Amino acid sequence: DADVTQTPRNRITKTGKRIMLECSQTKGHDRMYWYRQDPGLGLRLIYYSFDVKDINKGEISDGYSVSRQAQAKFSLSLESAIPNQTALYFCATSDLPGQGTNEQFFGPGTRLTVL
Amino acid sequence: GNSVTQMEGPVTLSEEAFLTINCTYTATGYPSLFWYVQYPGEGLQLLLKATKADDKGSNKGFEATYRKETTSFHLEKGSVQVSDSAVYFCAGWSNFNKFYFGSGTKLNVKP
Repeated sequence: DADVTQTPRNRITKTGKRIMLECSQTKGHDRMYWYRQDPGLGLRLIYYSFDVKDINKGEISDGYSVSRQAQAKFSLSLESAIPNQTALYFCATSDLPGQGTNEQFFGPGTRLTVL
Repeated sequence: GNSVTQMEGPVTLSEEAFLTINCTYTATGYPSLFWYVQYPGEGLQLLLKATKADDKGSNKGFEATYRKETTSFHLEKGSVQVSDSAVYFCAGWSNFNKFYFGSGTKLNVKP
């Protein structure tokens, strides 16, 4: 079984709709992240969470919100989707600094299309 | 702020050719550096890493050396295979506890 899972894997929606992307992990990591990937722009950080009570904005948080329901779950919401939020979204986890390799472990991605 | 810059792609090579993908970093202090690979339809996975100057990361025939003098972490492989076709991302991690990624370089290897 995959360590980091994302649902759905693909989603097509319309402008103005509310969308939630979900991420679950079995790695036992405290730290979780949401990124979006756009062609030629690499990965950009949307939000990150260092534990259940710690949520932080990344570089492109406008138009997004997150919820850390438990150590293992971190969901991303688009309150009112717009076409320029069409992208590939990745969830990732990492261990605490000094307790691992600082490596990030990625989910398989969610391809979101906003029409 | 901290960042990494990597060469733009796509890079197209014939099988068994030598590969170099350049990556340079800008950071306060000395970040940990990584190369991630993304195969078609998949998420990113760690390819190799180095945590201090002069460290060499290696995996699956790929190598990268952390060079403080040139602030670089170039990815190399002596003989690429068709199965190496993927997008490669250089990344850094600093004491500010955030990762930062390059824009990715797509590698196409032709038989």
